[in-house]
Amino acid sequence: EVQLVESGGGLVRPGRSLRLSCAASGFIFDDYAMHWVRQAPGKGLEWVSGIRWDGGGIEYADSVKGRFTISRDNAKNSLYLQMNSLRADDTAFYYCGKSNTILAEVHSWGQGTMVTVSS
Amino acid sequence: DIQLTQSPSFLSASVGDRVTITCRASQGISSYLAWYQQKPGKAPKVLMSTASTLQSGVPSRFSGSGSGTEFTLTISSLQPEDFATYYCQQLKSYPLTFGGGTKVEIK
Repeated sequence: EVQLVESGGGLVRPGRSLRLSCAASGFIFDDYAMHWVRQAPGKGLEWVSGIRWDGGGIEYADSVKGRFTISRDNAKNSLYLQMNSLRADDTAFYYCGKSNTILAEVHSWGQGTMVTVSS
Repeated sequence: DIQLTQSPSFLSASVGDRVTITCRASQGISSYLAWYQQKPGKAPKVLMSTASTLQSGVPSRFSGSGSGTEFTLTISSLQPEDFATYYCQQLKSYPLTFGGGTKVEIK
């Protein structure tokens, strides 16, 4: 069974940093592209970033470019999102998800981790 | 960036109704469109890929159509478990974008 488990969320002050992790199991992790998608409370979905199976093909939403860094460790079956210079509008549930290729729909999702940016 | 506009943003319908949701792209995206369903407190679930390919396990009352800039998701006979929010997503180019969502509620 495919499992994606996010962790690392929490309350952080504006301007600070946070690192999210996504632990994958139940599939061959390095066969798939991975994404981060977020959802602010009561709002719609926003794609944040994606990374190809080999760690290349990295792309970001304009809203996070230059502040967030996606990475993966295939040996540890893990996906990461380093978030720097956090702002109040980064407050959201952050989901990790897997797709067959870097430009494909997300087939499996984690349960999400909440990030709250507030002073 | 490619913008996706969904309509309506809110829809009130009864069990058994035929429901159609539209997603319009700001530029042509061929058939590079997916549809998702999201229920409160849950992660999204993919319903459709390449505009009209039903995902495994998704009931056949769901169907998708369209190409270029206009797409539709149709539920032929709304069931109680279908009350949720639906999103389209374009997969033509980065940054990937979602539509604003359509919330389907019980009339």
